[in-house]
Amino acid sequence: AQTVTQSQPEMSVQEAETVTLSCTYDTSESDYYLFWYKQPPSRQMILVIRQEAYKQQNATENRFSVNFQKAAKSFSLKISDSQLGDAAMYFCAYRSAGARGGKLIFGQGTELSVKP
Amino acid sequence: GAGVSQTPSNKVTEKGKYVELRCDPISGHTALYWYRQSLGQGPEFLIYFQGTGAADDSGLPNDRFFAVRPEGSVSTLKIQRTERGDSAVYLCASSSGLAGDEQYFGPGTRLTVT
Repeated sequence: AQTVTQSQPEMSVQEAETVTLSCTYDTSESDYYLFWYKQPPSRQMILVIRQEAYKQQNATENRFSVNFQKAAKSFSLKISDSQLGDAAMYFCAYRSAGARGGKLIFGQGTELSVKP
Repeated sequence: GAGVSQTPSNKVTEKGKYVELRCDPISGHTALYWYRQSLGQGPEFLIYFQGTGAADDSGLPNDRFFAVRPEGSVSTLKIQRTERGDSAVYLCASSSGLAGDEQYFGPGTRLTVT
């Protein structure tokens, strides 16, 4: 079975600075997807960024980028130029590529606070 | 267009009662997912529908939990004989059903069993 581990329960960053959130996962599959989701206090999960395992190039979405290390099974999220609105819970998630659709397996989450 | 909606937003019930939680997916989305999120934890998968049928129900914790999607749109999660341990936020998500597609989440229903 696949597992996702986020070892940082809490992280803090100064506004305008850069922060990196860590995620490791375990799988025997070779093809899969990885995601970072943001969950503000409103509870609505919002997709931040996704990575296909077969792509070597790291995904980037504006201020958000990932460092995908397939051999090490590591998938960290870097937030540049942090803004107050980035404060939220961040979840790393794994999804098998085999079937249409398919469940997400989430990590425990990292609570990010942004200091003005 | 409208996103995923869930009703009620909050539900308080007594131990042993029956509850129904409703999810309205994004129009046209064939895949629908239910997750349960306990306090301070990541969401845990419960069940996934492709159209009207349950494609994967491996996450349902026991036979007190049941979900339906009779017309391939709205889904209802049903919990019988509720227990205090069922207290959590129940999240619904929908997607187009294509491989690796984005799952769009609703705001969740917070269930409290007293």
